[in-house]
Amino acid sequence: DSGVTQTPKHLITATGQRVTLRCSPRSGDLSVYWYQQSLDQGLQFLIQYYNGEERAKGNILERFSAQQFPDLHSELNLSSLELGDSALYFCASSVPVATALNTGELFFGEGSRLTVL
Amino acid sequence: AQKVTQAQTEISVVEKEDVTLDCVYETRDTTYYLFWYKQPPSGELVFLIRRNSFDEQNEISGRYSWNFQKSTSSFNFTITASQVVDSAVYFCALSEQHTGGFKTIFGAGTRLFVKA
Repeated sequence: DSGVTQTPKHLITATGQRVTLRCSPRSGDLSVYWYQQSLDQGLQFLIQYYNGEERAKGNILERFSAQQFPDLHSELNLSSLELGDSALYFCASSVPVATALNTGELFFGEGSRLTVL
Repeated sequence: AQKVTQAQTEISVVEKEDVTLDCVYETRDTTYYLFWYKQPPSGELVFLIRRNSFDEQNEISGRYSWNFQKSTSSFNFTITASQVVDSAVYFCALSEQHTGGFKTIFGAGTRLFVKA
């Protein structure tokens, strides 16, 4: 158990709809990351938050948005869904600064599998 | 810019064979961190090993070992005496510190099949 919690685990929806994926980071981690893994694809970095502020942006579509709340949980909002958005969406958390014991390894949740029909 | 290349798409071995997964990276930073993650068929991503850019000492941890060579920008991962449970997709990752966290990119992954 990584300590990162993601909900829902599975989600099936139709094209054009909007969904929200939720993530609770490990206790004490201030940084949250979102990744997308399409079928047989690698992990594509979407966005990162640190203590409520956006810190880095990757290949995130304009139809997607995210935020991190004061209690540090994060939500990824996907709107106007298309078939190609079907993927496994991972949330990860990390410490904010490298230390002797922790050099930024990401701890991943189990992922939210989104199927768009 | 960061880049991670895993040239091997799939590898198939027979149980008890040793297998090495290759990883080549690109970065402009002088301080960076390298990782290997495992994604078994169940889908979760599991952190395996890490190496800092300033420490080229290679190590062995159980059946896992890694070979970090800065001169060739390579971070290869070896599983000794492979087992069926090692069957998974293995991702190499490169991470650089930035304000408030780490920018981490992953290679495309190498799918390992270990046959009994």
